[in-house]
Amino acid sequence: SAVISQKPSRDICQRGTSLTIQCQVDSQVTMMFWYRQQPGQSLTLIATANQGSEATYESGFVIDKFPISRPNLTFSTLTVSNMSPEDSSIYLCSVDGLGNEQFFGPGTRLTVL
Amino acid sequence: EDQVTQSPEALRLQEGESSSLNCSYTVSGLRGLFWYRQDPGKGPEFLFTLYSAGEEKEKERLKATLTKKESFLHITAPKPEDSATYLCAVQAVGNEKLTFGTGTRLTIIP
Repeated sequence: SAVISQKPSRDICQRGTSLTIQCQVDSQVTMMFWYRQQPGQSLTLIATANQGSEATYESGFVIDKFPISRPNLTFSTLTVSNMSPEDSSIYLCSVDGLGNEQFFGPGTRLTVL
Repeated sequence: EDQVTQSPEALRLQEGESSSLNCSYTVSGLRGLFWYRQDPGKGPEFLFTLYSAGEEKEKERLKATLTKKESFLHITAPKPEDSATYLCAVQAVGNEKLTFGTGTRLTIIP
């Protein structure tokens, strides 16, 4: 399975600011995914990022709020823009495996004050 | 819309006391059902993929089974290190997206 790292591991931010989360994989992967895990809730897919194309966003998530970059086959970033306390969550990236499974990074714990 | 419901929300067992976790699902066409383990402060760790009704997968003290409407994660003679939240997710045919349940928080008491 791929080894996935995320930066930062946690952050505390002020309302109205933006935070960019990085996801690095130790091997080339076709698809990368960004999920949100709010307290006491299940993981929810934000968007799918393929290298060389625009990210595909799920219903309820928009590019202006969560811009994503995918410059190469091992790296992606998710920005949480104009943050509010409701954006406090764990943000996780994942990559597709050889089968249909996905492997997850350790997550970024974001608190917005 | 794909849906996943896990029960119970939380389960406390004595060490060595076997039990099962349930994952009920509705999906337009099942491409795969996945079980993950998540420890506090960490990302989900992949355990199993099940593709069709009747399929079973085993790993150490865990066994996952699948029917057309639900999956069970059986844990046999659990140890304290098996304490974690267990997540179930489904993937529909033609879609890469995983739809997750809210998980079962399992605590094994020594």
